[in-house]
Amino acid sequence: QTVVTQEPSFSVSPGGTVRLTCGLTTGSVSTSHYPSWYQQTPGQPPRTLIYTTNTRSSGVPDRFSGSILGNRAALTITGAQADDESDYYCMLYMGSGISVFGGGTKLTVL
Amino acid sequence: EVKLVQSGPEVKKPGDSLKISCKGSGYKFTNSWIAWVRQMPGKGLEWVGMIYPGDSDGDTSLRYSPSFQGQVTISADNSISIAYLQWSSLKASDTAVYFCARPGHTGYGFDYWGQGTEVTVS
Repeated sequence: QTVVTQEPSFSVSPGGTVRLTCGLTTGSVSTSHYPSWYQQTPGQPPRTLIYTTNTRSSGVPDRFSGSILGNRAALTITGAQADDESDYYCMLYMGSGISVFGGGTKLTVL
Repeated sequence: EVKLVQSGPEVKKPGDSLKISCKGSGYKFTNSWIAWVRQMPGKGLEWVGMIYPGDSDGDTSLRYSPSFQGQVTISADNSISIAYLQWSSLKASDTAVYFCARPGHTGYGFDYWGQGTEVTVS
């Protein structure tokens, strides 16, 4: 069974740039997986950041960008701010109408 | 404005049945998928399944994650624009927050989320 993988944790300095990635235990991520990215803080529903690889959701600042890098999807955050400290989840479309979330990355800004 | 409003928190006992709801507004309910997502306490997001209500019974489509197939049932009532997630016999391991979500215009990825329904089975 293919699993969607993410870094469990990451840290970035304020003002810095961080790239979170999303991969597969078997095979490569491509645009055909329509990668999407979500930000979640405790007690809140997820907030959509990116869908279909690199389309920003309404109201999302351009500090957030999505791409495919090598065999993984990536979420890049530039000019990190304190309130970017959150959990980040990717989701991949696996075909037959089924999608799967990654395990999430806990981002610390310090 | 698209909105998804979910039913309130539930506290149930093991073996109880339960049906939670997600009311869509601001768009044509029958023409968009609605998905359910589970988040167990302190854990990540899990894709449960989704429904395309359709304009008639024959147009309805359902998809379930293999992990949840047979464990839950997703349905919809087009007359009141509500999607449901239900259990026939709850287990303690069903304790979680359940979100409904709707794809954006591309049909892939979610662009709208409900506020979540906390289900406690104890």
